[in-house]
Amino acid sequence: EDQVTQSPEALRLQEGESSSLNCSYTVSGLRGLFWYRQDPGKGPEFLFTLYSAGEEKEKERLKATLTKKESFLHITAPKPEDSATYLCAVRGRGFQKLVFGTGTRLLVSP
Amino acid sequence: DAGVIQSPRHEVTEMGQEVTLRCKPISGHDYLFWYRQTMMRGLELLIYFNNNVPIDDSGMPEDRFSAKMPNASFSTLKIQPSEPRDSAVYFCASSAGLAGGHETQYFGPGTRLLVL
Repeated sequence: EDQVTQSPEALRLQEGESSSLNCSYTVSGLRGLFWYRQDPGKGPEFLFTLYSAGEEKEKERLKATLTKKESFLHITAPKPEDSATYLCAVRGRGFQKLVFGTGTRLLVSP
Repeated sequence: DAGVIQSPRHEVTEMGQEVTLRCKPISGHDYLFWYRQTMMRGLELLIYFNNNVPIDDSGMPEDRFSAKMPNASFSTLKIQPSEPRDSAVYFCASSAGLAGGHETQYFGPGTRLLVL
């Protein structure tokens, strides 16, 4: 059964303090690892898709990387507006079925 | 594009009542998904459709839940009768295809359901 574990559950950073969020996964035949951002009271917002080990993608202060067992979301010099819950999901051989982790709640203080 | 549209945004009902949640996917998307999000279990897939046909409903918790997609631009998730444990946020998402970046799922704003 496909599984996703995210850590830490919650993270508090000072503005400008860089850090990383972890997403460990087990899946039969990875067909994509997805990162989403979710703000309170809103639906998940798509950030990145990674397909193979070694792949990296960047968007503003965020950089996602992928190995055969885990993915990291690196946040460089975060700002308060980066505060949100970050969700990781994997898609295995079950075609469109995404399995989500429980997320990391990030709070960036000014 | 307006994105995925869901209604109502909030629903408060009493145990035993019927609840109907509605979703309009992004135009041109062939896949539609219904998810439920709770603090305890996170985001869980309930059912998904391809070209209006249900493909996998293994996540539907029990017979009280049903979903339909009568056409490409409309889907409903119905709970009858509702129970307090059904209280959650229900999301609808859609995607354009299976590969090449088209498999990305885009989520609506959700319906917050409270069953008293």
